[in-house]
Amino acid sequence: QSVLTQPPSVSGAPGQRVTISCTGSSSNIGAGYNVHWYQQLPGTAPKLLIYYNTNRPSGIPDRFSGSKSGASASLAITGLQAEDEADYYCQSYDSSLSGVFGGGTKLTVL
Amino acid sequence: EVQLLESGGGLVQPGGSLRLSCAVSGFTFSSYAMSWVRQAPGKGLEWVSTISASGGSTYYADSLKGRFTISRDNSKNTLHLQMNSLRAEDTAVYYCTKVEGYSSSWYFDYWGQGTLVTVSS
Repeated sequence: QSVLTQPPSVSGAPGQRVTISCTGSSSNIGAGYNVHWYQQLPGTAPKLLIYYNTNRPSGIPDRFSGSKSGASASLAITGLQAEDEADYYCQSYDSSLSGVFGGGTKLTVL
Repeated sequence: EVQLLESGGGLVQPGGSLRLSCAVSGFTFSSYAMSWVRQAPGKGLEWVSTISASGGSTYYADSLKGRFTISRDNSKNTLHLQMNSLRAEDTAVYYCTKVEGYSSSWYFDYWGQGTLVTVSS
């Protein structure tokens, strides 16, 4: 049972837009702590995708965007491509547990 | 180029100990906090521990209950994780990560390839 709740799976056709939610509580996201997102391609280590809610590291396409409102955050992927098929994780800070991750969301490109 | 190279994983019996290491290059190691994150087979990511840049402050997931100890040697650009009283549920790939951001807003901007720890008799 993860502290941050993500949908187990989402899917979309190439070119479409998908969003992945990350729901927390008043002790983490709702307390104002930042949210970060990671992409994990099959068989590889996770890679930073979004930091401080909305920022992209260099090299990350602008098809990926993040947002945060209240106790929730979202990752949006536009212009879906086959290579976007991966697991996505949100991460934040919890006042009782320090670092916390969401349970992960598997994105399937149809 | 930032590189994080973990080592020390392997098969260990329940109740045993293992020490993981992470050799770092490509950035000023002594200026950054570092963390370990693990991933059980087929499961999600779990934060394990973080150590400050100087090594003076350490943080652990509550679930570890004092069995793990994180440390660093800034003279050798190396991060360690000493794991004692290992249990089957500690079986996972352990990732060494570079920490960016300020306290309570950490994120992990670089990851190693991971080392597999299997706890089984």
